[in-house]
Amino acid sequence: DAGVIQSPRHEVTEMGQEVTLRCKPISGHDYLFWYRQTMMRGLELLIYFNNNVPIDDSGMPEDRFSAKMPNASFSTLKIQPSEPRDSAVYFCASSLTGGGLDGYTFGSGTRLTVV
Amino acid sequence: GENVEQHPSTLSVQEGDSAVIKCTYSDSASNYFPWYKQELGKRPQLIIDIRSNVGEKKDQRIAVTLNKTAKHFSLHITETQPEDSAVYFCAASSGTYKYIFGTGTRLKVLA
Repeated sequence: DAGVIQSPRHEVTEMGQEVTLRCKPISGHDYLFWYRQTMMRGLELLIYFNNNVPIDDSGMPEDRFSAKMPNASFSTLKIQPSEPRDSAVYFCASSLTGGGLDGYTFGSGTRLTVV
Repeated sequence: GENVEQHPSTLSVQEGDSAVIKCTYSDSASNYFPWYKQELGKRPQLIIDIRSNVGEKKDQRIAVTLNKTAKHFSLHITETQPEDSAVYFCAASSGTYKYIFGTGTRLKVLA
């Protein structure tokens, strides 16, 4: 298994531009999570999906952020318009259960820099 | 709200010594406690976990202990090696989707 695959690994964009981050979960994992990691705030859960359905998006910072999961093997996190404070590492993770009985498997992350 | 406190934020030990990282959680319904290791520039990786029906779990040089009454759990690394240097995160889950992560401990093993 190739694990959780994220793209791109690095993204540098100008303020105001649209950014799309992509994730392919491990096949058979029913849960997909988007996390943001910064020095100041640590690991923050943004949104999670169960069987492609968004279950809880209470961690999404504001309307500029949106996430979709059109099928079991693909999810996107979009920021439009981007701002410098969005600069962070964004991780996607998947798990068989919701995380209560097993661990998450994280992707390699996307390092986003908004200038 | 739910909270996980982790201490210390940084820890330096001599190679071969032991390292202990402690976490305290607030949600008494928490029943699953994973630990993640994150090397510089890499993804967090699960290294050990413990469920609430167990007080201690070991895996080679790594052990985790849980005190449900006090609502705290700890990671113990014995005979530390330079490759143990990383940031370690604890987390707590109440059996639902959500992990509450600690703020991380940067462990440095000095050769």
